[in-house]
Amino acid sequence: NAGVMQNPRHLVRRRGQEARLRCSPMKGHSHVYWYRQLPEEGLKFMVYLQKENIIDESGMPKERFSAEFPKEGPSILRIQQVVRGDSAAYFCASSPGNTGELFFGEGSRLTVL
Amino acid sequence: GIQVEQSPPDLILQEGANSTLRCNFSDSVNNLQWFHQNPWGQLINLFYIPSGTKQNGRLSATTVATERYSLLYISSSQTTDSGVYFCAVEHDQGAQKLVFGQGTRLTINP
Repeated sequence: NAGVMQNPRHLVRRRGQEARLRCSPMKGHSHVYWYRQLPEEGLKFMVYLQKENIIDESGMPKERFSAEFPKEGPSILRIQQVVRGDSAAYFCASSPGNTGELFFGEGSRLTVL
Repeated sequence: GIQVEQSPPDLILQEGANSTLRCNFSDSVNNLQWFHQNPWGQLINLFYIPSGTKQNGRLSATTVATERYSLLYISSSQTTDSGVYFCAVEHDQGAQKLVFGQGTRLTINP
């Protein structure tokens, strides 16, 4: 049973470009979460999604960031017009329900030049 | 919001030593998880332990929810145990929003 799959593992963008990070949850999991880890810090919650619905986006910056989890395909975290402060590791997690253990992917590391 | 404090922030030990990492939280929790982030940045689930005690090999964990703390024990440390250990808690029922502590950085020297 494959774990949570994230890609790309590493992404380099120049300021002003767009970054798209993808996450495929574990088989049988319909709940997806995105977290951000800035250098030398712990992980911070960004957004919680179920299929086709955003449940909680209280941790998402108000501008330039968006997330989706379509009926078919992976969840996407999209960052428009990236700035250097967006450089971080972005982790996706999934769970089978709205309570219980979360399983994390290996993360996508975004570097903005 | 809920506060999660981990101690110590840094710990340096020799191979073979035992260690205890602590996680205090400021309010009642529904879920608590321990993670190990290895030097390559991968985040590995160690325990899902909202209460009680669990053991997995050289690692064990205990959560005393009524007193708002959890402990992670590592026995006979190996160099591969090095990395950052995070405690994360879920505060609100159904919110499914893990709040992470700042971590304990463990270095095991050969």
